[in-house]
Amino acid sequence: DTAVSQTPKYLVTQMGNDKSIKCEQNLGHDTMYWYKQDSKKFLKIMFSYNNKELIINETVPNRFSPKSPDKAHLNLHINSLELGDSAVYFCASSQVGGPTEAFFGQGTRLTVV
Amino acid sequence: GESVGLHLPTLSVQEGDNSIINCAYSNSASDYFIWYKQESGKGPQFIIDIRSNMDKRQGQRVTVLLNKTVKHLSLQIAATQPGDSAVYFCAERDTGRRALTFGSGTRLQVQP
Repeated sequence: DTAVSQTPKYLVTQMGNDKSIKCEQNLGHDTMYWYKQDSKKFLKIMFSYNNKELIINETVPNRFSPKSPDKAHLNLHINSLELGDSAVYFCASSQVGGPTEAFFGQGTRLTVV
Repeated sequence: GESVGLHLPTLSVQEGDNSIINCAYSNSASDYFIWYKQESGKGPQFIIDIRSNMDKRQGQRVTVLLNKTVKHLSLQIAATQPGDSAVYFCAERDTGRRALTFGSGTRLQVQP
């Protein structure tokens, strides 16, 4: 019944590694997002996809590469992880033309050591 | 640059009191303003939104007020309960963009 699900919930990894976070939504929405929440709780948009097409790509290092195999999935791959990448990453979805409400996943806490 | 910000980082209230959380914004192009609640270990959860051509909207125990003259947004929670303890974010949606710009958050602590 989970609307937006992310895996894993926790991810601890060493600097320099490559990791992926997966996201799936079962709401039938056409738009999905990745947000980053830093240690001060500030939430910032990273990427947005609409029907598998990238529509927002904020100033994010190109080590971050989103992939949307279909409109229900938006994965985030991160290469050469750095200490500063430690944060909570949230996936979200919404529907164009629908309510403003975006549904968020429970978050993935990434810790780079 | 454009920003959405909050005046108070932490608000502590007694159970049963009313709470008011404030937010200032600077992007006049926003068409909607939204309040989210984030409990510990969870993702943000939608509370209420208000369209830019309105100045007040009420929900269950919550009221959002929008003052476009001074670019100010507030969330009022009536009869605050312990379950209301969380971090509250205001957010704005720019016309044409689908992503939200979030403010820095206010932690609401409800004392029993």
